[in-house]
Amino acid sequence: QLVLTQSPSASASLGASVKLTCTLSSGHSSYAIAWHQQQPEKGPRYLMKLNSDGSHSKGDGIPDRFSGSSSGAERYLTISSLQSEDEADYYCQTWGTGLWVFGGGTKLTVL
Amino acid sequence: QVQLVESGGGLVKPGGSLRLSCAASGFTFSDYYMSWIRQAPGKGLEWVSYISSSGSTIYYADSVKGRFTISRDNAKNSLYLQMNSLRAEDTAVYYCARGVGSCWGQGTLVTVSS
Repeated sequence: QLVLTQSPSASASLGASVKLTCTLSSGHSSYAIAWHQQQPEKGPRYLMKLNSDGSHSKGDGIPDRFSGSSSGAERYLTISSLQSEDEADYYCQTWGTGLWVFGGGTKLTVL
Repeated sequence: QVQLVESGGGLVKPGGSLRLSCAASGFTFSDYYMSWIRQAPGKGLEWVSYISSSGSTIYYADSVKGRFTISRDNAKNSLYLQMNSLRAEDTAVYYCARGVGSCWGQGTLVTVSS
């Protein structure tokens, strides 16, 4: 079964870096994912598509502070030079035949 | 610029029906598959349905199969979601999204309550 697992919460200080993790279920380590950001009271915003080899393509206007990487079944989103507006929920998402799957989301708090 | 605008949400009684629309602009709508995703109050994102660029391939989440119908009109650059036999657990903000989620609308709220 295709499942994405995310930690419910993360925190980091203003100006620091944070690395969020999304884990693909067993047997699905070759899958690409997408990362989305949802700021409070707003709709989701596409950040990037991230492939299993770590290559990624970012959405229009996404700052260089956002980057992606991969290792095995793990997909990472790294945000550097954290700003207050980065405080948001971050969702990973993947797709199989006939369905999309979302992770449960990680709530990022900027201290 | 690329834009998706949902409409059609509102308050409906259990067992009722509602039709959502999503108007696309700023890109060639007929080149992209489209999806509906929902978010219940205080909860995460849940995929609802997918339709291919031509409309020939359609998928639904098990939670809505047999009750919801997705469709599109490429001549009108529009995506639709017909929702029948609505339940309280269908209460959510409904978003349309392009392709792998590379563009999202602002959402429309559907509330199912007596």
